[in-house]
Amino acid sequence: KQEVTQIPAALSVPEGENLVLNCSFTDSAIYNLQWFRQDPGKGLTSLLLIQSSQREQTSGRLNASLDKSSGRSTLYIAASQPGDSATYLCAVRRSYGQNFVFGPGTRLSVLP
Amino acid sequence: DAMVIQNPRYQVTQFGKPVTLSCSQTLNHNVMYWYQQKSSQAPKLLFHYYDKDFNNEADTPDNFQSRRPNTSFCFLDIRSPGLGDAAMYLCATSRDGLTANVLTFGAGSRLTVL
Repeated sequence: KQEVTQIPAALSVPEGENLVLNCSFTDSAIYNLQWFRQDPGKGLTSLLLIQSSQREQTSGRLNASLDKSSGRSTLYIAASQPGDSATYLCAVRRSYGQNFVFGPGTRLSVLP
Repeated sequence: DAMVIQNPRYQVTQFGKPVTLSCSQTLNHNVMYWYQQKSSQAPKLLFHYYDKDFNNEADTPDNFQSRRPNTSFCFLDIRSPGLGDAAMYLCATSRDGLTANVLTFGAGSRLTVL
């Protein structure tokens, strides 16, 4: 059974800092991995998707990496801003079926 | 813009009174999902439709049912809501077969059970 964990559970940083969020999964037989952002009381917004054959994806100040063999992904946020404050979740899609399994998220606070 | 729309955004019901949440999509995605998310927890998959094929998760209570009358719409029925069913319910879609199999979410429906 695929299990996804995210460390740390919460993170508070001053504005302008670069930071890394971590995602770990137990079964390396994945099709892809997706990072999401969730604002309080809202749905999830897709940030980046990495296919199992890829090592990283970039979008603006965000960079996501994937090391499938070790069951790890990281989300790097450069020059953090208060508007980046949200919960960041990762989800993996198994190599079979349609199910996406989510981690519990990292709650990020960027202080002005 | 193509999107996933959930209604209602907020639903208050009484213990045991049936509730229906709706989800519509203009993305023409063939897979639709219902997730339950409780406070500070990971979204938990309840079930999904691959086209008309219904796929129930093994640990989804019988109290939860779903209908997908056509490609665009999917409903979540909670037959007898209990206090433990209070949560955010998230609908999502994806298109199987594409390389970039992005999961797209609606804004969610927050259920309160009194």
